[in-house]
Amino acid sequence: SQKIEQNSEALNIQEGKTATLTCNYTNYSPAYLQWYRQDPGRGPVFLLLIRENEKEKRKERLKVTFDTTLKQSLFHITASQPADSATYLCALSGGGADGLTFGKGTHLIIQP
Amino acid sequence: SAVISQKPSRDICQRGTSLTIQCQVDSQVTMMFWYRQQPGQSLTLIATANQGSEATYESGFVIDKFPISRPNLTFSTLTVSNMSPEDSSIYLCSVADGSGYTFGSGTRLTVV
Repeated sequence: SQKIEQNSEALNIQEGKTATLTCNYTNYSPAYLQWYRQDPGRGPVFLLLIRENEKEKRKERLKVTFDTTLKQSLFHITASQPADSATYLCALSGGGADGLTFGKGTHLIIQP
Repeated sequence: SAVISQKPSRDICQRGTSLTIQCQVDSQVTMMFWYRQQPGQSLTLIATANQGSEATYESGFVIDKFPISRPNLTFSTLTVSNMSPEDSSIYLCSVADGSGYTFGSGTRLTVV
């Protein structure tokens, strides 16, 4: 069955450093990989989408890489800030009008 | 991007009763998606709701337990029927929105 793995442990990063989160998947050939941010008591908020034929995507302080051979995506937040503290979710879809398959998320804590 | 109004935001219900969750979108959308997020778990897709046709349910979810209505292109409801404590979760609706998906703020359901 399809499986998405994200760091289950909380990730503590010092303010100003780069936070790197990992998403690995098995038994899936996604057309798209997406990253979301979820704060307590809120729904996920879309951050970035990367297609299967793309290697890297950037948006302001965010960068996503996608390696379909390794079946892995890395999500980077540069110059991290305490306001970046949240749970970050990796999600896959086959494209078209599909719903998403989510990982459990990684809880990121940026220490001032 | 689309704005989704989801209600109720939370509820405490007696076992054996039913709860209907509503999602209103500020624009017309073809498909709406319903997810469940159990404590400490990832979001799991329950079903995809098309206007004018029956919802499509994912493996492990059935219409009798989670009936869905989609009367028009801006509105959908999910009912959690004959509830048990195992149904205690956060339920979220979502729509495809440009590159990513927009989510409602969620309904936190506690069954006692």
